Amino acid sequence: EDQVTQSPEALRLQEGESSSLNCSYTVSGLRGLFWYRQDPGKGPEFLFTLYSAGEEKEKERLKATLTKKESFLHITAPKPEDSATYLCAVAAGGTSYGKLTFGQGTILTVHP
Amino acid sequence: GAGVSQSPRYKVAKRGQDVALRCDPISGHVSLFWYQQALGQGPEFLTYFQNEAQLDKSGLPSDRFFAERPEGSVSTLKIQRTQQEDSAVYLCASSLGLYRGRETQYFGPGTRLLVL
Repeated sequence: EDQVTQSPEALRLQEGESSSLNCSYTVSGLRGLFWYRQDPGKGPEFLFTLYSAGEEKEKERLKATLTKKESFLHITAPKPEDSATYLCAVAAGGTSYGKLTFGQGTILTVHP
Repeated sequence: GAGVSQSPRYKVAKRGQDVALRCDPISGHVSLFWYQQALGQGPEFLTYFQNEAQLDKSGLPSDRFFAERPEGSVSTLKIQRTQQEDSAVYLCASSLGLYRGRETQYFGPGTRLLVL
C-alpha cells in the first residue's frame, strides 16, 4: 500500500526565514509526486509535479526537489501570504495517472 | 477560465438522510475524481471517472456511497443513510486525462457535509 508522510506537522517561521518541508513516500512504481497548497475553506491548489529522482521545479519563493525516497519543498524568504497547508501526493503503479495518495499536510505559518 | 465548481458548498443532514453532491468539472476535462477530507487530514481518494466510465471505486468506504457521471461531464456523489462518520469535506477534481502531461488534477472548493 502506498504511504506518504509529511513533516513537520506544523511549522512557524518569521518573515524572511527560509526552511524546508519534507515528504517521505513508500510506493510501488512512482509515476509522479505532486505538491499542492491549501488555504482554509478552499480546495488544494496545484503547485508542482516531479516525475523522477533528481528533478527540481521552482516557482517564485518555492522550490521542489525529488529523491528516490522523499521530496522537499524549500521556501526561500517566506512572506505572510505563504501561510497555508502544503500537501504532498503521489501517483503510483499501473500505466496511467489515476488516484492520488496524499500525506496529512504541513501547516505553515509565516509571521510578519 | 472557470475552474471546478461544486454544490452545495455546505450541507447539513440528519442521520439517516440521503444527500447528493454535485461537481462541474473544467470544460474539456475528461477525467474526474472524488476525494474525502477529514478535518486536519489530507484528502483520501474515493473514486474516479474517465468520461462516463467509472474506472476505480476502490476508495468508496461502503455501499452507501455511490458516484455517477452519466454524460461524461457533471458528476454526482450520493451518500445514502448518512452517518455521523460521513461528516467531512468532499472534494472534486478534474484533469485533461490520465497520461503524463495531462494528469494535473485541479480541485474545486469542496462541499462541507455535517451529519447531525
